[in-house]
Amino acid sequence: DQQVKQNSPSLSVQEGRISILNCDYTNSMFDYFLWYKKYPAEGPTFLISISSIKDKNEDGRFTVFLNKSAKHLSLHIVPSQPGDSAVYFCAAKGDTGRRALTFGSGTRLQVQP
Amino acid sequence: NAGVTQTPKFRILKIGQSMTLQCTQDMNHNYMYWYRQDPGMGLKLIYYSVGAGITDKGEVPNGYNVSRSTTEDFPLRLELAAPSQTSVYFCASSVGVDQPQHFGDGTRLSIL
Repeated sequence: DQQVKQNSPSLSVQEGRISILNCDYTNSMFDYFLWYKKYPAEGPTFLISISSIKDKNEDGRFTVFLNKSAKHLSLHIVPSQPGDSAVYFCAAKGDTGRRALTFGSGTRLQVQP
Repeated sequence: NAGVTQTPKFRILKIGQSMTLQCTQDMNHNYMYWYRQDPGMGLKLIYYSVGAGITDKGEVPNGYNVSRSTTEDFPLRLELAAPSQTSVYFCASSVGVDQPQHFGDGTRLSIL
């Protein structure tokens, strides 16, 4: 049972345009959400997070939106750059009896020059 | 500035062999985690620890053991390697449960 789902395995955008990566979750106990970026042969790197008490968090070119009623969050990257090409993982944490993160399966973003 | 260090980076094992994946962090983090990532999948939690001497099971603990005798080290032990354990293993640490986790670069393990 996948509690965190990233339904798009890949996404391709042009440099300078907006990239929108989506994530859905099923567990209403999740209260903290994170995005990680992963390059090949490296570990995931923390990108941005959002608490369930907010609906938006911004950090430079990266903005995360949370829609609790729809159990949906998205990561916007504006403008997209070729160096943003990586796999992006959505992760969630909450009072699920386990003090750790639940990860989605990832979306591979390719930014074309 | 090492962060989380995992060794080895690559390893090939035969079925039934045992090995220990090493993980050490120099950030004085209390929380440490072991994940595995299978091709095309997200990271699945194997074991985690909230401090020295305290460990707990994650989603997929079968076939693995851990120990946490110091704050810095969190080794993962495979006792009887099976082909299903072929994966990339990531160790991570965090200051607290609500803080972002810092990951090592992974150990790619193949069991033949």
